[in-house]
Amino acid sequence: EAGVTQSPTHLIKTRGQQATLRCSPISGHTSVYWYQQALGLGLQFLLWYDEGEERNRGNFPPRFSGRQFPNYSSELNVNALELEDSALYLCASSFNDQETQYFGPGTRLLVL
Amino acid sequence: DQQVKQNSPSLSVQEGRISILNCDYTNSMFDYFLWYKKYPAEGPTFLISISSIKDKNEDGRFTVFLNKSAKHLSLHIVPSQPGDSAVYFCAASAHNQGGKLIFGQGTELSVKP
Repeated sequence: EAGVTQSPTHLIKTRGQQATLRCSPISGHTSVYWYQQALGLGLQFLLWYDEGEERNRGNFPPRFSGRQFPNYSSELNVNALELEDSALYLCASSFNDQETQYFGPGTRLLVL
Repeated sequence: DQQVKQNSPSLSVQEGRISILNCDYTNSMFDYFLWYKKYPAEGPTFLISISSIKDKNEDGRFTVFLNKSAKHLSLHIVPSQPGDSAVYFCAASAHNQGGKLIFGQGTELSVKP
């Protein structure tokens, strides 16, 4: 069974640009979560999508947004990139919000 | 406000011995706890979990203990192997927190041959 996949693996952008990160969940999982791991910091919850709807978001500004498609894959968009947005962005999926979350390999975003 | 804390940033253990990783939490609403293992530049790998209605869960070499009164959980790895060397994160969630996992800062385990 394929795990959670994310693309691209690495992304380099300049300040002010927009970044789009993609995630495909494990087959059968309808919930997708996004987390940020900035350098030296722990994993911080960003967003939770389920059945195409945003269900919860963490303490991040509105320029962090996303969506979930009918096939349950998801996109994370970061607008007006700032240097401190440089981080590893992790996607996870689960059957529902009460079940174990399984993580993908992450996308490393570097903002110059 | 750090609701999940791993106070030991690193731990070094001899191969074959027991590794004990600790985690403390402050939110009494947490009802599900997980341990993940992470290598640099990779996503966390799920190891083991425990519901708040239990005090122990075992899976092979990994055992998680939960002490609700002390708001403390621990992960025991027996016997430790060099391949266990990684950063270990504990995480917690609550029914009313909308799918959000709260992670500790991680403990880097080094198992020496």
